[in-house]
Parts: sequence; C-alpha cells; structure tokens
Amino acid sequence: DIQMTQSPSLLSASVGDRVTLSCKASQNIYKYLNWYQQKLGEAPKLLIYYTNSLQTGIPSRFSGSGSGTDYTLTISSLQPEDVATYFCQQYNSWWTFGGGTKLELK
Amino acid sequence: EVQLVESGGGLVQPGSSLKVSCVASGFTFSSYVMHWFRQAPENGIEWLAYINTDSSSTHYAETVKGRFTISRDNAKNTVDMQLSSLRSEDTAMYFCARESQLGAFDYWGQGVMVTVSS
Repeated sequence: DIQMTQSPSLLSASVGDRVTLSCKASQNIYKYLNWYQQKLGEAPKLLIYYTNSLQTGIPSRFSGSGSGTDYTLTISSLQPEDVATYFCQQYNSWWTFGGGTKLELK
Repeated sequence: EVQLVESGGGLVQPGSSLKVSCVASGFTFSSYVMHWFRQAPENGIEWLAYINTDSSSTHYAETVKGRFTISRDNAKNTVDMQLSSLRSEDTAMYFCARESQLGAFDYWGQGVMVTVSS
C-alpha cells in the first residue's frame, strides 16, 4: 500500500500569509494526487485534482504542485474562511489519504 | 444540483450488522464509479470500498474486506454498504462519494454516524 504523510500536522498562520502544506508519498505516484478541504462538521471538499488542476468554483489563491513523491498545496493569501483541515489523497494505486494538516489562524 | 444523501446509521452492539445507504440525484448515477469512506472522531479519512458502474467490479480496504459489502442499484440511484461483524473500531462517520471522470472524489454526502458499543 502507498502511504501518504502530511506535514505539518498543525499550522498556525495569519490572514494574508502565504501558506504551504506538504504531502509525501511512500513511492512515486506520478502526479495522481488530489487535495481536499474539510471544515468542522462538514464533508471533504475537492480543491485540486491531478496535482495542479483547480476544481471548478475554488478560489485561485489555492494552487498545487509536485511530482514523484513530493507534493505541495499553497494558499497564496490566507483568508479566515480557509481555516480547515486539508488532506492529500493518492490514486496511483487504489486510494489512500494523508493524515491531514489542520490550519488555524494565529 | 448533484446531491448524495446517506442514511442508515445508528448505535449497534459489537458483532452486529448494519446497512448504510446513499441515494444520488442530479446526475446520471449509472455513469459514475462510487466509493465509501469513513472518518473516526478526530481522525483522518479512510477509503473503504469501490464499485464500478455496472457492479462487475468491487474492491475493499484490508481493514473491512470480508466484513463489509458494497452494492448499487442503478434503477434506484443508490449505493449501499452492508457492515457485518462490527467492532468498536468501526465507530465512525461514513461517507459516500462520487468519483469524477478525472479520478477525484468531486461530490460527497454529508455522512452518517455509526457507533459500535455495548
């Protein structure tokens, strides 16, 4: 099974900050990587698919990058409504999620 | 508008069975692969099961293989999961989701809570 490791597990940042979340796969996943946002009490919401494609309706401050085993989600200017937990998910071999990064306001 | 609505959760005793259901609307259900996931309180998301469009192919996570069974009814726009031999560690919120044509889970239900406790 492919293991996904996210870091950090908790991130505190201020409104307007550029925020970078990391996701590392245990083997090459060939960019088959999606990102989700989950707010408290809600279902996950798709943000980015295939490493860097923005899902319809998602603000352009969200972007994704990466290749091989290392991937990144960037929020260019943090907004209060971005407080949530973010999960990466690989689909190169079946499906597995990272443990999540909880993003809070400083 | 695409909607997925789960039902069937509840409090059950260890060793018992339960069926959770997901009814879809707003899209051509028979054209999409469907999945089930769960999330234990304060935990991450665990993928559980997959079913293809015509039910000819299913796949399960090792943690539930042999205990959980996914099925779908394209005439009724439903995807179900039968949970058997339930354990306390199966306590979680259970979600269904649609897999988009591009391989991502683009729509999720609101989830249904399953609690396994004596």
